[in-house]
Amino acid sequence: LAKTTQPISMDSYEGQEVNITCSHNNIATNDYITWYQQFPSQGPRFIIQGYKTKVTNEVASLFIPADRKSSTLSLPRVSLSDTAVYYCLVGRSGSARQLTFGSGTQLTVLP
Amino acid sequence: GAVVSQHPSRVICKSGTSVKIECRSLDFQATTMFWYRQFPKKSLMLMATSNEGSKATYEQGVEKDKFLINHASLTLSTLTVTSAHPEDSSFYICSARDEGADGEKLFFGSGTQLSVL
Repeated sequence: LAKTTQPISMDSYEGQEVNITCSHNNIATNDYITWYQQFPSQGPRFIIQGYKTKVTNEVASLFIPADRKSSTLSLPRVSLSDTAVYYCLVGRSGSARQLTFGSGTQLTVLP
Repeated sequence: GAVVSQHPSRVICKSGTSVKIECRSLDFQATTMFWYRQFPKKSLMLMATSNEGSKATYEQGVEKDKFLINHASLTLSTLTVTSAHPEDSSFYICSARDEGADGEKLFFGSGTQLSVL
């Protein structure tokens, strides 16, 4: 199982770009990297998934270097509603047994 | 993204009773669903993997007879907490695997807050 390491918490201000980095040194060849967002008392919400290089969708970008031992979730121009816990998961997509949740990063967006 | 519906969102029950939680994939078929448990300020812990038409696979330390899982169709999995006790109080979350055209992804239900009195 590829373990992940993320900062426990981060603070930002409204309108700023936020980058959350996740380390996954033991990532396997067929592992994907997936990021989820979770608000209190809600289930995690899928944000973005990638395998290598850069992936972008309407809410975020995911940067993955060539060695794939880390990844960075980039949230452009955050708002107060982006305050949440963000989880980085590494494993074969769809295999929950290998998608182990780490501690996550509590992002707090300040006015 | 795909939608996973989980009901009820909150349940309060007396000690010794059983509680059933439903997890439905609304716009896709899910041969595999998963059940998690989450304590306050903690991360999600995988409890079991629910396989359509076969027995669930439980993680180490999870009591099979306490947490009954049924996955009778491609869109529905249920978790029944039997003879619930206060220590079973927790936030339970399900997820379903969507094998879409752009790759496999997991989508989560909104969770069920169980309080056992």
